[in-house]
Amino acid sequence: SAVISQKPSRDICQRGTSLTIQCQVDSQVTMMFWYRQQPGQSLTLIATANQGSEATYESGFVIDKFPISRPNLTFSTLTVSNMSPEDSSIYLCSVASGVGETQYFGPGTRLLVL
Amino acid sequence: ELKVEQNPLFLSMQEGKNYTIYCNYSTTSDRLYWYRQDPGKSLESLFVLLSNGAVKQEGRLMASLDTKARLSTLHITAAVHDLSATYFCAVLRYNNNDMRFGAGTRLTVKP
Repeated sequence: SAVISQKPSRDICQRGTSLTIQCQVDSQVTMMFWYRQQPGQSLTLIATANQGSEATYESGFVIDKFPISRPNLTFSTLTVSNMSPEDSSIYLCSVASGVGETQYFGPGTRLLVL
Repeated sequence: ELKVEQNPLFLSMQEGKNYTIYCNYSTTSDRLYWYRQDPGKSLESLFVLLSNGAVKQEGRLMASLDTKARLSTLHITAAVHDLSATYFCAVLRYNNNDMRFGAGTRLTVKP
């Protein structure tokens, strides 16, 4: 399975600011995903990021709030814009070699917004 | 809409006992996954089940899939403390790459 890293691992931010989270994979992957996990809760998919195309957002998530970049097959970023305390969560990236293939998850970014 | 339900949500077991976690889903799916998450950690892939009747085993964990009943089970045999974690099932539909996670089962194995 791929080795996935995320930066930062955790951050404390002030409301109204923005944070960009990076996801790096040690091999080329077709599909990358961004999830949010509230403490003690399940995972909710924010968007799917495929290289060379616009990210596909799930219901309830919009590009203005969560812009995503996917410049190549090993890297993606998720920006949490104009943050509020409700954005406090764990943000996870995952990767898959193709549709239906097992997703492997990064270590997560723990975000606290004050 | 694809919905995934797990039960129980919380499970406290004695070491050495057996138990089963259930994962029901609402519509036809193409693949079913089981993941483990330790506190403060990310998700670890355990199993992927591809077809009706599929069974996979790894150590004290065995997962099965019944696509007709839209049910997957994760059976724990002779539980040990190291199995304490949260277990998630996730269901995928190919046509729109729609993957949904269950709420998770928080397992605690007590000595």
